[in-house]
Amino acid sequence: DAKTTQPPSMDCAEGRAANLPCNHSTISGNEYVYWYRQIHSQGPQYIIHGLKNNETNEMASLIITEDRKSSTLILPHATLRDTAVYYCIVPSNAGGTSYGKLTFGQGTILTVHP
Amino acid sequence: DAGITQSPRHKVTETGTPVTLRCHQTENHRYMYWYRQDPGHGLRLIHYSYGVKDTDKGEVSDGYSVSRSKTEDFLLTLESATSSQTSVYFCAITGLPDGNEQFFGPGTRLTVL
Repeated sequence: DAKTTQPPSMDCAEGRAANLPCNHSTISGNEYVYWYRQIHSQGPQYIIHGLKNNETNEMASLIITEDRKSSTLILPHATLRDTAVYYCIVPSNAGGTSYGKLTFGQGTILTVHP
Repeated sequence: DAGITQSPRHKVTETGTPVTLRCHQTENHRYMYWYRQDPGHGLRLIHYSYGVKDTDKGEVSDGYSVSRSKTEDFLLTLESATSSQTSVYFCAITGLPDGNEQFFGPGTRLTVL
């Protein structure tokens, strides 16, 4: 997997937007960016993924820079339940498929406070 | 939520004993994965399966074996548990060919004394 760099921790006030950055400067042209989160003691949860266009779903928005070397996950109105570790992952696409062999780094601990 | 369960949810065992963890899915997904999570290491892939009887090693497969005799079940076996295998084990599934959008189970906390 392409190496990703995330800040170890971030804070956000409840109701405000949470913007979580990720650097992936070695990403290849056909590699996607995936985001997962893990709430304490639970299994990771898929959030969103994208290639080069901005993506939005019911959970979050993903903004990928034009050069694709970085991205930002946006939680538009953070709640206390969004407190979790957020992982940015760029799965390797070598050989045509990665078969889902994801590499989770340390992620960003997002704390949403009242 | 995806229909994925793990059993047992908690287990304490002694060094040298065999242990089998079970992952069961009701989604009829082709791909299944076993990860372990330890402080300071994040999640690491142990083994994965891309179909019945089709399995392969992940990043940290030493000391573990797997079996998948039917679509819904993926078993992880520690032939002779060691204290270094104390961890939280997560199973994941996906039906997509690239495998990157995975649904995770609730985890099994294993303690080897």
